[in-house]
Amino acid sequence: DAGVIQSPRHEVTEMGQEVTLRCKPISGHDYLFWYRQTMMRGLELLIYFNNNVPIDDSGMPEDRFSAKMPNASFSTLKIQPSEPRDSAVYFCASSHLAGGYNEQFFGPGTRLTVL
Amino acid sequence: TQLLEQSPQFLSIQEGENLTVYCNSSSVFSSLQWYRQEPGEGPVLLVTVVTGGEVKKLKRLTFQFGDARKDSSLHITAAQPGDTGLYLCAGRLFGSGNTGKLIFGQGTTLQVKP
Repeated sequence: DAGVIQSPRHEVTEMGQEVTLRCKPISGHDYLFWYRQTMMRGLELLIYFNNNVPIDDSGMPEDRFSAKMPNASFSTLKIQPSEPRDSAVYFCASSHLAGGYNEQFFGPGTRLTVL
Repeated sequence: TQLLEQSPQFLSIQEGENLTVYCNSSSVFSSLQWYRQEPGEGPVLLVTVVTGGEVKKLKRLTFQFGDARKDSSLHITAAQPGDTGLYLCAGRLFGSGNTGKLIFGQGTTLQVKP
């Protein structure tokens, strides 16, 4: 298996532009998570899906952030409009809850820089 | 407020030294995991502990889950430069059901100098 795939790996954009991050989870996994990681705040859960349905989006910072999962093999995280404080590494992770002790498999992350 | 507090946040030691990283909470967890993250990559699972008092060993790494399932520790014996990285504890809150959601600590950055 190729693991969790994220694109792009790096994104540099200007304030006010729309940014779309993409994720392909591991086939057969029924949970998908979006995280943001910064030095100051560590790894923060933004939103997660179960069977393509958003379960908990309480970590989404504000209305500028939105996430979709149109099918089991694809998810997007969109920021519109982007701001410099959104600069961070964004991780997608997937898991299969087997026996209640789920290992989350992380993608390599997207490093976002908003100028 | 962090549900899982890790200490220390940063640790720089010489090769061959021993170290312990702590992960503490006032909440009870049904399971707790430790992940390691290397620069430019996502976290990778090292171990899962599920029973209070449980001890697991992975080569030079020893993981312990507290009796009350509120804390955990990671002990590394004879650290090597290859152990360098960010260590994250993550837990599933007791009573949260089958949500799949993990609570992560802030992480401990370990640097092992040759």
